[in-house]
Amino acid sequence: QVQLQESGPGLVKPSETLSLTCTVSGGSITHYYWSWIRQPPGKGLEWIGYIYYSGGTNHNPSLKSRVTMSLDKSKNQFSLKLTSVTAADTAVYYCARRVAAHFDFWGQGTLVTVSS
Amino acid sequence: NFMLTQPHSVSESPGKTITISCTRSSGSIASNYVQWYRQRPGSSPTTVIYEDKERPSGVPDRFSGSIDSSSNSASLTISGLKTEDEADYYCQSYDSSDWVFGGGTKLTVL
Repeated sequence: QVQLQESGPGLVKPSETLSLTCTVSGGSITHYYWSWIRQPPGKGLEWIGYIYYSGGTNHNPSLKSRVTMSLDKSKNQFSLKLTSVTAADTAVYYCARRVAAHFDFWGQGTLVTVSS
Repeated sequence: NFMLTQPHSVSESPGKTITISCTRSSGSIASNYVQWYRQRPGSSPTTVIYEDKERPSGVPDRFSGSIDSSSNSASLTISGLKTEDEADYYCQSYDSSDWVFGGGTKLTVL
């Protein structure tokens, strides 16, 4: 069974960079799309972006150029960086595996709060 | 870009049947698969329907999905409601470059 686990700081200051890592266990990181999805407190889900195992990426246009994603095959990990954060970026951040049309495995999520 | 619109909430009694709609704002609903996720409080979403109408293993056949091109919408139907079905339900679809979730529907089983 594939498992995903997010890790990273739970508190980020405004204007700084949010950095998260997702560790994949129980399966290889190859041959899938690895995604980030977030959920502000009490609100719905928002797709942030994905990285393919070959390194190609795609992200939500609403986040403009603030998103960078990378992948480390040797560690079976992928990462997210979101720059210039504001309070609006406060959310539970999930990593997930995408197979074809859907997100079939999700991490448990990690709350990131943007506050000074 | 497009949006997926769901009703904010639905409530029904145990044993009954409910249907949650998901309307696509632009582009054909039939052009890209629709998925449905269930999210219980404090938990990550899990798939209940993928590729419009397919059920993952472990999801009971009380859950079914469909597409209606005339209304450009997808539907999730849950029959024989149980209290354990109480959760938030999200539809999700995509186009050539964007992956979109509906706003979510809170299902209350009274």
